[in-house]
Amino acid sequence: KAGVTQTPRYLIKTRGQQVTLSCSPISGHRSVSWYQQTPGQGLQFLFEYFSETQRNKGNFPGRFSGRQFSNSRSEMNVSTLELGDSALYLCASSSGDPYTGELFFGEGSRLTVL
Amino acid sequence: GQNIDQPTEMTATEGAIVQINCTYQTSGFNGLFWYQQHAGEAPTFLSYNVLDGLEEKGRFSSFLSRSKGYSYLLLKELQMKDSASYLCAVRDGASNYQLIWGAGTKLIIKP
Repeated sequence: KAGVTQTPRYLIKTRGQQVTLSCSPISGHRSVSWYQQTPGQGLQFLFEYFSETQRNKGNFPGRFSGRQFSNSRSEMNVSTLELGDSALYLCASSSGDPYTGELFFGEGSRLTVL
Repeated sequence: GQNIDQPTEMTATEGAIVQINCTYQTSGFNGLFWYQQHAGEAPTFLSYNVLDGLEEKGRFSSFLSRSKGYSYLLLKELQMKDSASYLCAVRDGASNYQLIWGAGTKLIIKP
């Protein structure tokens, strides 16, 4: 079955702009999580959506937001971009089972802020 | 609080065995995952432990001790393609089953 699809794969923005990233999870998966990864850093959790509801949220400023649609596709938005927002943004889908659900990651969207 | 510790970097020789340790502190342990991430690629699932003991899967094994808050990933017969970062993550039942991630261990394999 098809894996997790993220678009766009690469994008360049300037400070102050906003960006929207998209994630299509594996068919049948109801949970989508978003992570930020910078060089040398671990995965920094942004938020998780399950059945269109935000189930968990990390410690990121309000400039970072997300949503999930009825077909489980998810988007995340970053407003008023800063240089420090340059990172790989990874989306992961899972069945949503809190006990065993492993995460399946997309290839990521690499954002560069100039 | 929540905390996961892994060594930052390890070096091993092709054909050898290496053990990557992970220690954790969480309020409501609900399983531990190991993921592999090659440079520039997405993380891929390696193993999942929820009960104490050793889980073997080919050249890779993962061990868990819940009483010690400790896990390790054992890689045998190392190959050059095993050069990657290895991420430890714990599911925390006290935080709505959120996954808490370690910073990852970069493993360098030398010929």
